[in-house]
Amino acid sequence: NAGVTQTPKFQVLKTGQSMTLQCAQDMNHEYMSWYRQDPGMGLRLIHYSVGAGITDQGEVPNGYNVSRSTTEDFPLRLLSAAPSQTSVYFCASRLEANYGYTFGSGTRLTVV
Amino acid sequence: AQSVTQPDIHITVSEGASLELRCNYSYGATPYLFWYVQSPGQGLQLLLKYFSGDTLVQGIKGFEAEFKRSQSSFNLRKPSVHWSDAAEYFCAVNNNAGNMLTFGGGTRLMVKP
Repeated sequence: NAGVTQTPKFQVLKTGQSMTLQCAQDMNHEYMSWYRQDPGMGLRLIHYSVGAGITDQGEVPNGYNVSRSTTEDFPLRLLSAAPSQTSVYFCASRLEANYGYTFGSGTRLTVV
Repeated sequence: AQSVTQPDIHITVSEGASLELRCNYSYGATPYLFWYVQSPGQGLQLLLKYFSGDTLVQGIKGFEAEFKRSQSSFNLRKPSVHWSDAAEYFCAVNNNAGNMLTFGGGTRLMVKP
């Protein structure tokens, strides 16, 4: 059971470039979320989804887009990368609303 | 809006000593509370969760947490810390709809031999 798989693990972007962070889970979980982790700030919710075709904004959505065309995949798109988006990004999924999340191993993104 | 405060950014304890990590939450209704642990360079792993019922909940790796509604707290405890417990610990609160999990800023635990 692979759990939550994130790719790539590391990425360096130039300011203004766009890219997609991939997230896939094989547990048939309905709920998926993207978080960013910055030192001293814990994890902050970017976007989340409660099922295929349904997405919503979290605490820090600006500069990011998501889509959920299948239950398994929840990609995060950076539209025009900025240095402020340098962070570690985590994707997570869970079966139902109040189950614990299963986290991916993260993507470390640097924007120069 | 819900929020979580972890007052201690860093804590150092000696191996074998007891541990308590503090967590205070703000949420209008009955909260759903979680503790996660993150080892360096890794994702987060669920330690335990509280939804309702018994206010003392047991988790993995010998951890437990106590929900105190009157103090809006959900402190994590371990009677005897092992060197492998060195990691960062996050407390989190879920809204009742279950779609937004809010994390505290984390507490980094260091264990002295």
